[in-house]
Amino acid sequence: QQPVQSPQAVILREGEDAVINCSSSKALYSVHWYRQKHGEAPVFLMILLKGGEQKGHDKISASFNEKKQQSSLYLTASQLSYSGTYFCGTASGNTPLVFGKGTRLSVIA
Amino acid sequence: DAGVIQSPRHEVTEMGQEVTLRCKPISGHNSLFWYRQTMMRGLELLIYFNNNVPIDDSGMPEDRFSAKMPNASFSTLKIQPSEPRDSAVYFCASATVSYNEQFFGPGTRLTVL
Repeated sequence: QQPVQSPQAVILREGEDAVINCSSSKALYSVHWYRQKHGEAPVFLMILLKGGEQKGHDKISASFNEKKQQSSLYLTASQLSYSGTYFCGTASGNTPLVFGKGTRLSVIA
Repeated sequence: DAGVIQSPRHEVTEMGQEVTLRCKPISGHNSLFWYRQTMMRGLELLIYFNNNVPIDDSGMPEDRFSAKMPNASFSTLKIQPSEPRDSAVYFCASATVSYNEQFFGPGTRLTVL
């Protein structure tokens, strides 16, 4: 039950905003977000737990709507360093993550 | 802390050969994961361990793949015999517990000719 991410790819100019969505067909306990730069390993960004919370990390924030079984990642005033592939990972209960296929974000000057 | 350590970083082998990938998790982490990443399938969980015990190996593609964790600081993923379709980047990750933040190693890029 791999979560579905959208869009698959997005190109932004520096300073623009983006939203990446992650949807699951299963009830979720938590959603994780990771970023992977080309040729590197995925790096953890944040966890959102059941409860509909929203979290922030510099200019990157995320929300989790457990009723809709979806999460969104918000990138504001994008920087060149934001480029990479963003993965959401979802868990139902105390189970390991299932990752989506990723959203490729390219920020250009 | 040195983070998750994987070796080798690159491996090129011929079809039919045995391949062994190695991983040292972060000290104190009780969960260890092996992933395979390809363009077509993305990041797939192969197997994960809690406290050195394999919990779920349903992601292991077939009997050619095996994984062990003899102690808390070492794990191996073995492919025997290897096939060209096994070519991928293999990541090892560790976490304090299975549902917490995962720390990924740098990966092993495997090419099977």
